Amino acid sequence: DIQMTQSPSSVSASVGDRVTITCRASQSVSSWLAWYQQKPGKAPKLLIYAASSLQSGVPSRFSGSGSGTDFTLTISSLQPEDSATYYCQQAYTFPSITFGQGTRLEIK
Amino acid sequence: EVQLVESGGGLIQPGGSLRLSCAASGFIVSDHYMTWVRQAPGRGLQWVSLITSGGRTHYADSVKGRFTVSRDTSTNTLYLEMNSLSAEDTAVYYCARDLENIAGYIDYWGQGTLVTVSS
Repeated sequence: DIQMTQSPSSVSASVGDRVTITCRASQSVSSWLAWYQQKPGKAPKLLIYAASSLQSGVPSRFSGSGSGTDFTLTISSLQPEDSATYYCQQAYTFPSITFGQGTRLEIK
Repeated sequence: EVQLVESGGGLIQPGGSLRLSCAASGFIVSDHYMTWVRQAPGRGLQWVSLITSGGRTHYADSVKGRFTVSRDTSTNTLYLEMNSLSAEDTAVYYCARDLENIAGYIDYWGQGTLVTVSS
């Protein structure tokens, strides 16, 4: 199984800050990577797929980059509503997809 | 509007069985790849099962032989039959639809249904 490791596990930032979350795969997943946002008590929401494609309706302050084993989710200007847990997910071994352990983002 | 509404969760004793339902609207279930994902309390996301548009089924090793995914085209409903349940199966179970034309990514999720396995 491909393991997905996110860092940091939690981060605290202020409104307007640029925030970066990283995801590392235990082996190459090419560009088969997605990012999700999950708020407490809610289902995850797809933000980015294919490493850098922005899902329809997602604000442009979210962006994704990377390929192979190292990936990044960037929020260019943090907003209060961005407080959530973020998960990366590899689809290289579809249908057996795997998720990272999550990164909790808190607004200062 | 695409909607997925799960039901059927609850408290079940170890070794018991449960069937989860996922009523879909706004699209045809059999036209899409459909996925079940679970999330143990306070934990991360874990893929459980997939049924393709062609009806092929796939399972995580942890549930293979115990869980069965199916669909009913007449009611546009997805099911997850769960047998031989153990405490490790306690989780919120999400029904989800894969992104159109790019399987492996999930663009629509239900609200989830909680399954608690405990005596």
